[in-house]
Amino acid sequence: DAEITQSPRHKITETGRQVTLACHQTWNHNNMFWYRQDLGHGLRLIHYSYGVQDTNKGEVSDGYSVSRSNTEDLPLTLESAASSQTSVYFCASSKGTGGETQYFGPGTRLLVL
Amino acid sequence: GQSLEQPSEVTAVEGAIVQINCTYQTSGFYGLSWYQQHDGGAPTFLSYNALDGLEETGRFSSFLSRSDSYGYLLLQELQMKDSASYFCAVPYGQNFVFGPGTRLSVLP
Repeated sequence: DAEITQSPRHKITETGRQVTLACHQTWNHNNMFWYRQDLGHGLRLIHYSYGVQDTNKGEVSDGYSVSRSNTEDLPLTLESAASSQTSVYFCASSKGTGGETQYFGPGTRLLVL
Repeated sequence: GQSLEQPSEVTAVEGAIVQINCTYQTSGFYGLSWYQQHDGGAPTFLSYNALDGLEETGRFSSFLSRSDSYGYLLLQELQMKDSASYFCAVPYGQNFVFGPGTRLSVLP
């Protein structure tokens, strides 16, 4: 069955370190998204991609970067982790025809000390 | 821009009916989606309304009124497992903008 996975599921790191969160989908979806979820803020879009070699900034992109070298993967990198980036991160994908369902990964809980 | 409003919390008893409202302000509108998220879990898709009216899927129904910029999710015959957060969302191009979420607590 097609799925979307994230790794690691839990991560503890220190301020200033570079961290990469992996996202892999086997839906063959064009669109992939990274969100962070914090109490009181719902889901906020960090970066998104509409296809290979395409990346775009979302609402809260500062301090984060992504790259899309193939259809299946969209890794999220925190260049220099900050305590404000402690959050739950969700990756999602969709077909890419607009307005349809997004499928979410299980999430990564990141703690920056 | 896009903004959505939902009540932060709703409480109901098992077997009851509950309605979760969502009002939105958007520049261009293509439909309203609903997602469910259990504590510690990922959001999962429930429904999508592109047109006015009621869409029914089992115990869950979703309603949209485009003229009022308003929609709601109706949960019938509530079960304990329905305790979760519910998010409305609107498409924005090929992205989505999510509401802040409504936490539903179902009491025995």
